[in-house]
This record gives sequence, C-alpha cells and structure tokens, in this order.
Amino acid sequence: ETGVTQTPRHLVMGMTNKKSLKCEQHLGHNAMYWYKQSAKKPLELMFVYNFKEQTENNSVPSRFSPECPNSSHLFLHLHTLQPEDSALYLCASSQDRAAKGIQYFGAGTRLSVL
Amino acid sequence: GESVGLHLPTLSVQEGDNSIINCAYSNSASDYFIWYKQESGKGPQFIIDIRSNMDKRQGQRVTVLLNKTVKHLSLQIAATQPGDSAVYFCAERGGYALNFGKGTSLLVTP
Repeated sequence: ETGVTQTPRHLVMGMTNKKSLKCEQHLGHNAMYWYKQSAKKPLELMFVYNFKEQTENNSVPSRFSPECPNSSHLFLHLHTLQPEDSALYLCASSQDRAAKGIQYFGAGTRLSVL
Repeated sequence: GESVGLHLPTLSVQEGDNSIINCAYSNSASDYFIWYKQESGKGPQFIIDIRSNMDKRQGQRVTVLLNKTVKHLSLQIAATQPGDSAVYFCAERGGYALNFGKGTSLLVTP
C-alpha cells in the first residue's frame, strides 16, 4: 500500500453522465495531484493542489473539475466527457509542492466513456 | 517544449541477468530525476532518485547513472527477477512539476 487510496477502481460512464473520482492520502502530505495516463503516452499532469489551493491547471478542459476540501482529500468531478477521455486517472501526493519530488501514487481509476 | 524520452519501448531479459533501461532528457536545467516502476493494475511506485550534482546512486539491486554531458539517465537492475517485470518511467523535475517519459516495458523470462 502506498498510502494513497483511489475510488472507484473502475468506472464506466456515458457522455451525459456526471460522476466523481475520489482520492485520499494517509501520509500527512500537503500537495496532491491529478494525472491522466493514456496508452502509449507519458503521464499528463492535470491539476496540482498545495495546502488545499490549486496551483496548477495544465489547460485541462472544463468538463474536468477538481475539488480539494482538505489536504487529505482530492476529488475530480466529471461531466459531459468524451470517449477520448477514457484513460487511467492517477492521484498522487507529496510532502509539499517544492519537495524533493517524490510523489506517491494511488492505483488509479480506470475510466471508460461510452 | 522540453521532453523526457526513453530509448526502447520494450526490453526482454532472462531471469538472473542484469537489466539496463535508458532515458534521455532535453532540459539542461533539470536538477532532479526519478525512476518509477508501474506494475499491471497499480500506480507508479518510486524506485530511486538522483540529484544533478551526483552521477551515480545505488539502492537495493538498482543503480541510477546520470550523464549530464549527454543528458542521459539509466537504471540498472542487478540479477533481474520475475517480480521486476513492469513498466519503468523516468521523470525529471522541471520547476514544481515532474515530466515523465513514455515508459519502457521490462519483461523477465525464466
């Protein structure tokens, strides 16, 4: 166990659905991240939160909406997604944004958009 | 933009042999590098890191080599075991973000 838990592990949704991905870290970290992992592509950073404040949004479409109510929890709200959004969504945390760089990842949510 | 890339998408080695996974980076300002391992159905797992003021760092059965002159990073795994079969990613720190390569799939055969 990495100390970062993501739910659900698998999600199938239609393009008109609204769903949310959840991430919880038990490491006492202050920075949390959302990444998208598609086949044959490098991990794409989506959002960064540091001490609950969003510090980066890498030009992510507005159909992805992050929420960080506290340093231990991170959500990714999804609505009106497209089939090309199907991917593995990974959450990670680190001590803080400027730490050595070691990020601890959850197992991810495998999302399929029909 | 800057990029991090891996020389080979797949690598097959026999159990007990040493494995070498290579990575090229283009950002000469990168000061920190990490190797991650991702097994099927799991998220990336930290293996070893190295700062730019070092050229070698050893862990348990793993060694990372950094050649800043040619902007090259390698991960050496000694006595490769079946449990080492996974995708390996290198990542370099650019500012506050980690930039990941596409990954090399390591397959260990008996």
